[in-house]
Amino acid sequence: AQKVTQAQTEISVVEKEDVTLDCVYETRDTTYYLFWYKQPPSGELVFLIRRNSFDEQNEISGRYSWNFQKSTSSFNFTITASQVVDSAVYFCALGLIQGAQKLVFGQGTRLTINP
Amino acid sequence: EPEVTQTPSHQVTQMGQEVILRCVPISNHLYFYWYRQILGQKVEFLVSFYNNEISEKSEIFDDQFSVERPDGSNFTLKIRSTKLEDSAMYFCASRTRTGVDTEAFFGQGTRLTVV
Repeated sequence: AQKVTQAQTEISVVEKEDVTLDCVYETRDTTYYLFWYKQPPSGELVFLIRRNSFDEQNEISGRYSWNFQKSTSSFNFTITASQVVDSAVYFCALGLIQGAQKLVFGQGTRLTINP
Repeated sequence: EPEVTQTPSHQVTQMGQEVILRCVPISNHLYFYWYRQILGQKVEFLVSFYNNEISEKSEIFDDQFSVERPDGSNFTLKIRSTKLEDSAMYFCASRTRTGVDTEAFFGQGTRLTVV
């Protein structure tokens, strides 16, 4: 069965601190893809990144970076120099290649950046 | 930039009433999805739709639920007789094709409140 675990339910840091959100996934599929979504208080899901299972290169986009480690089935997300606007719930998701290619989401991590 | 549009943004309905949630996917997309997020919980897959039929559904998607693409542009989710536990945010998503190089685009969600 496919599963995504985000062990950190809530994280609270002071602005400008770096923060890492953990994501561990389980799947028997050899081909899959991984996502991070941001859900601000307004409720919509904002796409942040997609990474396929063939590509273990880390990615950096501005203050955001992602570390994909296939050996540990982890896809962690780091925000550098956090800002108050980063406050949101962040979801990691596993995208399946088989069947309908649905997304399996983790429970989410509520990130609060305090000024 | 093309986007998935959902209406209404918020719907309040009485228990036992039928409700229809509407979505307009991106125009050249072929695969359509509904997801549900009960307040404070993770986003859960409900159903996928391709080629005018359901391709996969979850255990949540029981006989009270149905989906339809009535006119080639709208994609609807109907709940026949709403229960209190149907209160949730419902997200529509669409994708252009299968494969590791595509992602599902989400609408902004419809918050359904059953009273």
